[in-house]
Formats: sequence, C-alpha cells, structure tokens
Amino acid sequence: NAGVMQNPRHLVRRRGQEARLRCSPMKGHSHVYWYRQLPEEGLKFMVYLQKENIIDESGMPKERFSAEFPKEGPSILRIQQVVRGDSAAYFCASSQKQKLAPYQETQYFGPGTRLLVL
Amino acid sequence: DQQVKQNSPSLSVQEGRISILNCDYTNSMFDYFLWYKKYPAEGPTFLISISSIKDKNEDGRFTVFLNKSAKHLSLHIVPSQPGDSAVYFCAASDNSGAGSYQLTFGKGTKLSVIP
Repeated sequence: NAGVMQNPRHLVRRRGQEARLRCSPMKGHSHVYWYRQLPEEGLKFMVYLQKENIIDESGMPKERFSAEFPKEGPSILRIQQVVRGDSAAYFCASSQKQKLAPYQETQYFGPGTRLLVL
Repeated sequence: DQQVKQNSPSLSVQEGRISILNCDYTNSMFDYFLWYKKYPAEGPTFLISISSIKDKNEDGRFTVFLNKSAKHLSLHIVPSQPGDSAVYFCAASDNSGAGSYQLTFGKGTKLSVIP
C-alpha cells in the first residue's frame, strides 16, 4: 500500500519540548499539505510545500511552527516549545502535480499524528 | 468566518434508506468540491468530488449534487449501509491558479446508519 505515511501516530510531549511530525507522500506525489484538527472542529490548513519549497504558509502560526520538505526524505512539521493549545491531530495530505488545466487536485490524507501536550 | 458550513452535526438513517448530507459555502472563488469520510483515529478518506462546471457526479452508491447559484452541495448515499457510519467532511478549493489549492473544510456531519 503506497498511501500517505505519517509517524509517529501518537506523540506525547511536555510543555516547552519540541515535537517533530513526519510525512511521506504517496508515490508520485510532489505536493504536501499539513492540516490541524482541534476537537469538534474541521481540518484547518497550515502549510503547502513542494520539494525544497514552501509555497503557502498562510495557515501557520507565526511563531514556534515550521515546515520543510527536503529533496530527500519526508516532510517535517516542527513545533518548538510546545504548549497545551498545540494538542491536536495533525494530518498530512499529498497530491499529484496537475500538468493541464483545470488544475483540480485531489488530496489524499495520511492517518494523522495525535499530539498531546502535558 | 466559516467559508464552508455543514449545519447538521449529526444524522441518523435506517439501513437501506437514503442519506443526504448538506454543505453550504460562501466563497464564490471555490471551483472544486470534495467529500471525505472519516473514522475515529484515522485520516480522512476521499469519497467523491465535483468540479464547478458540473452539477452532478456519481460513483456507485455516492452522488454529489452542486447548485452554484445557491452555493450549496449535497452528498447522497443510496442505499445506506451500517459501514457508512462515520463523520463526513465537505471541503472546497480555489483552483483558479491564484491560490495554493488548499482545502477549506466544514466541521463535519456524523452519520449513523441504524441496522
């Protein structure tokens, strides 16, 4: 199964620690998106990346959050100095580059990482 | 400001009957709409999508209808099965080329199909 992979599935951190979430896109997909879901809410867009480029980070908190998608290896969402409000499910999605208009991309999601900050 | 709204948090339907899940949007730039199904502790699973140039798209038991003038779409599941019990999310994106194709999600509707 060459679906979107995320690890770890569950992550527990104490306040002030760092959290690193990893995402490997589906084979052949070059676009990666990160979303966050708070309890009883829908998913909220955070950042959109292509290999070695951040295309849109308009949904990212201004501080403590960063993302990368290196030439080799998975995409990483990094949260520094975590606080209790960062506790949420973080989902990664990937899509394939559309070469022809209309550029309608279907995003496929991974199983998510559930972050709990104590 | 919620640009995608699913006004029914929950819906219960008898097995074999039709399930209709509704979604409204406010952003007229949205031109691609998707439905995802989500089980607890799993990621959203893509179900079906529709482009703004169409008003209907069908895939097996699932049909999505789009009414652009009303900015409304709906997902019909016929016949409903117990395995369809899950949370259903409506999502929309702007694929005009100016945006990043990010998805804007509704809050979801929890469907329970009663055997």
